[in-house]
Amino acid sequence: QVQLVQSGSELKKPGASVKVSCKASGYTFTSYAMNWVRQAPGQGLEWMGWINTNTGNPTYAQGFTGRFVFSLDTSVSTAYLQISSLKAEDTAVYYCARGGAPAMRKDWFDPWGQGTLVTVSS
Amino acid sequence: QSVLTQPPSVSGAPGQRVTISCTGSSSNIGAGYDVHWYQQLPGTAPKLLIYGNSNRPSGVPDRFSGSKSGTSASLAISGLQAEDEADYYCQSYDSSLSGYVFGTGTKVTVL
Repeated sequence: QVQLVQSGSELKKPGASVKVSCKASGYTFTSYAMNWVRQAPGQGLEWMGWINTNTGNPTYAQGFTGRFVFSLDTSVSTAYLQISSLKAEDTAVYYCARGGAPAMRKDWFDPWGQGTLVTVSS
Repeated sequence: QSVLTQPPSVSGAPGQRVTISCTGSSSNIGAGYDVHWYQQLPGTAPKLLIYGNSNRPSGVPDRFSGSKSGTSASLAISGLQAEDEADYYCQSYDSSLSGYVFGTGTKVTVL
């Protein structure tokens, strides 16, 4: 079955970096867009952007430029989210979610990874 | 701050029908972009509930239905059950932001 499995929870100090992985299975990884979504504690869903899994070209939403980097390792069907210079306000659950094939404005997200909690605290 | 507005909460007794609105603007829903809905049970990842305004993925009960008109969309849950207690989010595309957007989210409580 189509599945996205993310890496485990992370506890980081302010200023550090973190890399979250999202391993896909059950479909052709390079055929579908991969999106990233953030959910701060007790808050709603926020779309961070997406990466073209065929070309590796990332697109970042407003507010997610500079410290956020999307990348791929297509040999192991895995997408990555790296966040640098971590701040307390980066504390959130980060989800990967499959988009369309190819990515289009009408797209929905399905399935989702189980989420990775990143906690930033000194 | 989301560009799609939902009521913070709705509630109903078991068996009742509840609706959740998702209000957008001329740059998203009003521009003709599709609306999709997700259900997030406590402590779990969101799950696709409705896609393309009114389509149900395989496995989603027909108690859930979606519609869209003008700059708004709605999710209806009929025959409310205790297991429907969750947060619900709408999602669409916004041409002004050049990206996807989520609604503010609605918590459904079964009384």
